Parts: sequence; structure tokens; C-alpha cells
Amino acid sequence: SAVISQKPSRDICQRGTSLTIQCQVDSQVTMMFWYRQQPGQSLTLIATANQGSEATYESGFVIDKFPISRPNLTFSTLTVSNMSPEDSSIYLCSVTGTSSTFATDTQYFGPGTRLTVL
Amino acid sequence: DAKTTQPNSMESNEEEPVHLPCNHSTISGTDYIHWYRQLPSQGPEYVIHGLTSNVNNRMASLAIAEDRKSSTLILHRATLRDAAVYYCILRRLIQGAQKLVFGQGTRLTINP
Repeated sequence: SAVISQKPSRDICQRGTSLTIQCQVDSQVTMMFWYRQQPGQSLTLIATANQGSEATYESGFVIDKFPISRPNLTFSTLTVSNMSPEDSSIYLCSVTGTSSTFATDTQYFGPGTRLTVL
Repeated sequence: DAKTTQPNSMESNEEEPVHLPCNHSTISGTDYIHWYRQLPSQGPEYVIHGLTSNVNNRMASLAIAEDRKSSTLILHRATLRDAAVYYCILRRLIQGAQKLVFGQGTRLTINP
């Protein structure tokens, strides 16, 4: 079956530093998204990662804080910049596609990256 | 964003049916009703979705009210592995991109 992987699975970082999270899919997808899930909370959409162009950010999220890349149809990165303890969350990528593996009307989520900022 | 309202928590017994309600009174005509669930320490997974008619798949059934202002996710025979947070979401296309806006969901506990 199709696989969505994220690296790292977890990390503990010092405030003021940055962390880049990778999302790798084992087949081509059309859409890739990044979400944040703060402790005990639901998921909040950060941005849509657009292949070959700048990401589309949701209200309250900015490119300087959460730069996103999507160089091809199977890979994206999210960087959490200049981290503070308030950035401690689980960060999840999700995808949709056009194939029988990843349908267009469903989002498929990666396992998440658990980030703790001290 | 269209809003859904779900009970914070529900409890059921193993091998019994579970009915998870969701209110979405501000739904628009083109919004699809999606259900996802999140098992402990995992990313959300798709359960089922529908527009107007009731839907069945191998995981669950979705009953949609005639006015579409509410829906019910039905797990026909709950198992311990069904313990999760269940999210009812209105999926809408915005500028060609689908968006899922997650509410707080219902935490389902299954008793052995």
C-alpha cells in the first residue's frame, strides 16, 4: 500500500533554532498540506504546499515563520523557524491525488512529527 | 469556514453499535460531509464521506439528514480498535483546492 513518511518522527530543540521536517510520498500526488496539532487540540491547517511555486498560507501563519518547499510531486518540507516553546506541537503532512492510491476527495495523513521546544 | 458541532466524548461497549452525531447547520449546497478519525499517536485517517445520500463502506455508515444540517456516523459493531477521536468535517473547494477544517471532534471510548 502507499506510504507517507515524515522525518524526523520526533525532536527536542532549543528555542531560537530552526527545524526542517520532511514529508515523502512513495507515489505522485497533486496536493500536499501541512497541519499543526498543539497538545490536546485538534488539527489546524498551516498551508498548502504548491509544486514549483510559493505555498498558500492560512490566516495566522506566515512564510517567514513556516517556510515550505515542494520541489516535486512526491516531496515537501516544512521549516519551523526561530522556535519558541509555543511551537511545541505535532506537525503533520497530508496529501491528495488523482490515482487509485490517493483519491482526489480524500486526504491521507502522514504519521506526524512530534516537536518539543525547550 | 463552515462549522460543525460534536459532543466532546462518547462511550460505548464492545460489539455494540455506536452512533456519533454531528450538527452542521451552516452547510452550503456544495459542502461534502467528511468523517476522519485519529487513533492515539497516529495521523488522522479517512472514514467516510457523503453529499446528500446515505453512504456505506467497510468501516462505517453515514446517515445524512434530509435537510443536510446534521449527520450521524454509525459504527455497526464497535471494537476496542475503534477507540479514537472522530472528526466531522465539511469539505469545501476554495479556489480549486479542497480544505478540511477540523473541529474538536468526539473522543470515543470503547469498554470491553
